[in-house]
Amino acid sequence: GQNIDQPTEMTATEGAIVQINCTYQTSGFNGLFWYQQHAGEAPTFLSYNVLDGLEEKGRFSSFLSRSKGYSYLLLKELQMKDSASYLCAVRDGDYKLSFGAGTTVTVRA
Amino acid sequence: ETGVTQTPRHLVMGMTNKKSLKCEQHLGHNAMYWYKQSAKKPLELMFVYNFKEQTENNSVPSRFSPECPNSSHLFLHLHTLQPEDSALYLCASSQDGASGSNEQFFGPGTRLTVL
Repeated sequence: GQNIDQPTEMTATEGAIVQINCTYQTSGFNGLFWYQQHAGEAPTFLSYNVLDGLEEKGRFSSFLSRSKGYSYLLLKELQMKDSASYLCAVRDGDYKLSFGAGTTVTVRA
Repeated sequence: ETGVTQTPRHLVMGMTNKKSLKCEQHLGHNAMYWYKQSAKKPLELMFVYNFKEQTENNSVPSRFSPECPNSSHLFLHLHTLQPEDSALYLCASSQDGASGSNEQFFGPGTRLTVL
């Protein structure tokens, strides 16, 4: 089966940096995704990694190490609107995305 | 505005009822998905359709029956559900299966409560 682990909750201060780790053990690997989901809303796509290394997109960066089965999402210059759940997902094969349970990030003033 | 719409947004039904959830995508995508999201649990993939053909059925009980009449519309027919089926049901679409990032775009979901 698929096993994707990420912390349940994290709290940080406005303006700070938070790193959300994700480790995975899956039967196949065809890319890793990060999604953001605000309470009561749809998940929205943040980033995609298929090769090792860092992908940067504004305040958000995502890192992948395939040999270690490890990724992280880095959120910089935290804003109150970044309070949300962050979902790590691995694509196994052609279509199937397996998700972690999500990390709830709370940003405090 | 995600380009993927779902109706109804909220649904309360009894265990003997029959109801349907509807999803429509306006993005010109070829693949559509149903997911179940329960509190504190990972999103669970239920069904995948690619070019209207079902390519994945993730061991879903037969009381859930999908229908994909065309690449823009996806239905989930519900009958004789159980209280543990209460959850948020999310629809998603993507360009196709596995080429490139091919990220999935999600609808707002239907919050289902089974009494």
